[in-house]
Amino acid sequence: AAGVIQSPRHLIKEKRETATLKCYPIPRHDTVYWYQQGPGQDPQFLISFYEKMQSDKGSIPDRFSAQQFSDYHSELNMSSLELGDSALYFCASSVQGGTYEQYFGPGTRLTVT
Amino acid sequence: AQSVAQPEDQVNVAEGNPLTVKCTYSVSGNPYLFWYVQYPNRGLQFLLKYITGDNLVKGSYGFEAEFNKSQTSFHLKKPSALVSDSALYFCAVRGFSGGYNKLIFGAGTRLAVHP
Repeated sequence: AAGVIQSPRHLIKEKRETATLKCYPIPRHDTVYWYQQGPGQDPQFLISFYEKMQSDKGSIPDRFSAQQFSDYHSELNMSSLELGDSALYFCASSVQGGTYEQYFGPGTRLTVT
Repeated sequence: AQSVAQPEDQVNVAEGNPLTVKCTYSVSGNPYLFWYVQYPNRGLQFLLKYITGDNLVKGSYGFEAEFNKSQTSFHLKKPSALVSDSALYFCAVRGFSGGYNKLIFGAGTRLAVHP
């Protein structure tokens, strides 16, 4: 079965640089979620999109932005990167009005040096 | 506000023995509860959920969980542990926000199954 695809899997950036993470949801899933997991921590919700509109916002820094495109893929844009942004970034997808569980991608490990 | 607590950082169990990973929740309204497992350098894999219905929920890889409303708990169980079950387990609750279901995770419990 098709799963959530994230790219790149690993990314190394320097402080103050920008990064773009991509997420391709499971086909026919209309909702995308972004989570950040710091070392040894639980995943924290950042932002979500339903039918290309932002549906919810969590603890996402103002330096980050995201969008969902017409093909339902989503991109998380991160600017002015800080050392503390080093984390595993997960994308998940689900179907609104469906069975509620979210399916996660393998994550993008971002390292800021 | 919705939250979940996993009181144990780590659970150790011998292979073949039953295992329990604990989770308690705090929600306003009916809880939507989930268990996910995370292997090293991997994404989170959905194990099972409780939305409504039977209090005993069966999921993937032989795992099950028991919903207990009076104790506000949703403990994950397996009758016979395997070494391959060793991983990080997260309990999560649906966070209601305008009808959209972000997940709020517990801190995670590391399960170590010893041969």
